[in-house]
Formats: sequence, structure tokens, C-alpha cells
Amino acid sequence: GEDVEQSLFLSVREGDSSVINCTYTDSSSTYLYWYKQEPGAGLQLLTYIFSNMDMKQDQRLTVLLNKKDKHLSLRIADTQTGDSAIYFCAGGLTGGGNKLTFGTGTQLKVEL
Amino acid sequence: DAGVIQSPRHEVTEMGQEVTLRCKPISGHNSLFWYRQTMMRGLELLIYFNNNVPIDDSGMPEDRFSAKMPNASFSTLKIQPSEPRDSAVYFCASSLRASGGHNEQFFGPGTRLTVL
Repeated sequence: GEDVEQSLFLSVREGDSSVINCTYTDSSSTYLYWYKQEPGAGLQLLTYIFSNMDMKQDQRLTVLLNKKDKHLSLRIADTQTGDSAIYFCAGGLTGGGNKLTFGTGTQLKVEL
Repeated sequence: DAGVIQSPRHEVTEMGQEVTLRCKPISGHNSLFWYRQTMMRGLELLIYFNNNVPIDDSGMPEDRFSAKMPNASFSTLKIQPSEPRDSAVYFCASSLRASGGHNEQFFGPGTRLTVL
């Protein structure tokens, strides 16, 4: 099965950019996702990228995909205290199965 | 839309007791997932269903765990007998399985289970 790995913690100052990294082993994933989990809540989809894309931008969020290195990153510009959460990357195949393989999660702490 | 509904939100029980967690997926969704989240092991997929049929239960830790989906709007995860190491947050998620396109999973708020 696929392994998806992330660093466990990231601490940034408010207003700085945050970059959360993810590496995966299975290159057959057709979609790659970033989910956010706030304290005491379930995961919520932040954004996703199709595997034939290199980059996707959505307001303060930029997703970069390097298929050769099997590396996915999420950049959050102008990080705010409300961005403090756990961020999960996940990979899945289009259509069939609907199963996603989630990473270990990165705890982002935003300091004033 | 009410989203994915889970009950109870919190459950405290004693070792050896039976625990039943409940999930109502989003109406119209045809895939349902049960996850377990702990500090030590992170987020683990336990089992998932497509059209009420279990597809992959390889994540179910032991025979003490069982899951059912009797219809498209209800699923249960049962632990019998429960053990302290089962203490975790259990999430249910649902999605609409469609050919092509991405598959967003919508998560419920979770059930925090504590087994004493």
C-alpha cells in the first residue's frame, strides 16, 4: 500500500508564510489532497490537485506537486492564528474505490 | 445539509463493555468510511463501504471490531468487548463515488471514546 509521510510539527510567526511538506510512495494517485483538522473537529478539505498539474493556487493557498520526486507541498501565505491546526495530505485514485491514503499529519502552530 | 452525523459525541465506558458508534452519512453519498485517530498511530482507515457493501476491512484491528451498514443512511461500528487501548477518536466520513473526478470525503465531528 501507499505510504504518505509528513513532518510532525511546524511553528511560524503570524504574517509569515508556512510550507507544509508531504512525500508519497505511490505515483498512481490521480488526485492529491490537503485536509485541515481544527481542535475537536473532523477533517475538512482545503484544496486538491490533479496529478497532471504542477501547481494550483487558491487565495492564500498554493499547492506544488513534484511528481518526479513524489513530493507535495502546501504553502499558506500571510499565516494567521486561525490557521493553527493539523494538516493532512492524502492521495487517491480517480473514481474507483474512493479510498484515500492519509499522511501522518503536520501540526501547525502560529505564534504572535 | 446537516453533514455527516455521528453519535454519541463522547462515550466513556468500562473495559469489557460493548460500545456502539453510529453514523449517518450525507444523503446521496454512496461511500462510507470509518477511521480511528490516536496520538500514537495517527489517522487509520478501519473499513469502508461502497453502496452499503464492505469493500476493505483490512484496517479493522481485531475480531472485537465489527461494522455494518444496513442501509444507505446508517452505519454502526461496534467494539465488543472494549479495551483501554481502544480509546481514540472515531471518525465517520462519506463521499459520492463517481467515475472520473476527484472524491472529496466529508468527515463527521467524531466520537471520542474512553475505555477505563
